[in-house]
Amino acid sequence: GESVGLHLPTLSVQEGDNSIINCAYSNSASDYFIWYKQESGKGPQFIIDIRSNMDKRQGQRVTVLLNKTVKHLSLQIAATQPGDSAVYFCAEKERPTGNLIFGKGTKLSVKP
Amino acid sequence: EAQVTQNPRYLITVTGKKLTVTCSQNMNHEYMSWYRQDPGLGLRQIYYSMNVEVTDKGDVPEGYKVSRKEKRNFPLILESPSPNQTSLYFCASSLAGGPTLSPLHFGNGTRLTVT
Repeated sequence: GESVGLHLPTLSVQEGDNSIINCAYSNSASDYFIWYKQESGKGPQFIIDIRSNMDKRQGQRVTVLLNKTVKHLSLQIAATQPGDSAVYFCAEKERPTGNLIFGKGTKLSVKP
Repeated sequence: EAQVTQNPRYLITVTGKKLTVTCSQNMNHEYMSWYRQDPGLGLRQIYYSMNVEVTDKGDVPEGYKVSRKEKRNFPLILESPSPNQTSLYFCASSLAGGPTLSPLHFGNGTRLTVT
């Protein structure tokens, strides 16, 4: 598959454990954040998003936490599975265009 | 099936030889965008289009052109490719208003090598 990045931060977890992927953002005025998952050889896929009027949002097995005080975003994956192995990107909304600014990504490896 | 289709998946070319990477979406999305992905740099936006006949520069537009003559297609044109344009390219689309009102749908990428 395609290599999406060298020297990416890597998180290695055991199957069944919970994973936490962290992201720092730059603009304190950002009001929208989103997480994407990119599997080898594929384009990024939407996982979950959150607006700045919320601190937490839950999806299926995933939770996003937003700490505006320290400009920090995290993605929690419950009961991590081998299919969760991928590169995960956070992104924030750019003003005034409304386009997304992507982080450099974190590689999640799940050990069976 | 709702999808964004890019062609070709792989392309090797030589410096200066004009090329076009096609992108088509079947979801009637107004917003379309091109990104390049390089090791250690993440996804960087090249150009985007809010609707037909409306295109704007992203963060790294130099050396690229785009056109949006119809809603479904958004080709990326490299008039005179150079080796620093060797990269993995992604096309993406979303509903009207852009990627913060509805999530982006990405194609599977085009790996371009310029020698």
